[in-house]
Amino acid sequence: KAGVTQTPRYLIKTRGQQVTLSCSPISGHRSVSWYQQTPGQGLQFLFEYFSETQRNKGNFPGRFSGRQFSNSRSEMNVSTLELGDSALYLCASSLPTTTSQETQYFGPGTRLLVL
Amino acid sequence: AQKITQTQPGMFVQEKEAVTLDCTYDTSDQSYGLFWYKQPSSGEMIFLIYQGSYDEQNATEGRYSLNFQKARKSANLVISASQLGDSAMYFCAMREGRVQGAQKLVFGQGTRLTINP
Repeated sequence: KAGVTQTPRYLIKTRGQQVTLSCSPISGHRSVSWYQQTPGQGLQFLFEYFSETQRNKGNFPGRFSGRQFSNSRSEMNVSTLELGDSALYLCASSLPTTTSQETQYFGPGTRLLVL
Repeated sequence: AQKITQTQPGMFVQEKEAVTLDCTYDTSDQSYGLFWYKQPSSGEMIFLIYQGSYDEQNATEGRYSLNFQKARKSANLVISASQLGDSAMYFCAMREGRVQGAQKLVFGQGTRLTINP
């Protein structure tokens, strides 16, 4: 079974631009979560989508948004990019279960550099 | 608020030795899950092992085992017979409580493990 895929893998943008990142979850997984990883702040939760609805949201400004499609694929968008948005953006998917072990499986990430 | 603490920024271990990576957590939930992930330099987070708060036995997955001490709120990862390929960042994470509810992992700062030949 194919893993989580993310596109693009690398991206260079300039301040003020916007960017869209894509994530395709493991087949059958309906929950998709996004995380930002930076050297200073570590791994921080952005948001989670389930059945096309945002179910949980982290403490990020409104410039960060996302959506999920009917096939569970998800996109996240960052508008008006700032230098501090340079990070590794990780997407994770999970299969709803009846136990507390709802393991999230991660994709390879998208490295965004804002100049 | 939930919090994960990993107090070892870096560790250096000889190949074939066992290594323990420390993780302590703080939560007021009774139901929670604890995870360990490995992140090689490529960036992908690789799931290693899971421990549920109600699990009575320590989890094991091949060379990985989790030393779960609930009263101390610790969930240390033990890697037996370390290999050069084990060199990576290791993250401890906790899932907030509700089953089939909103998903969110809280991560520690990570431990960089280096295996020396």
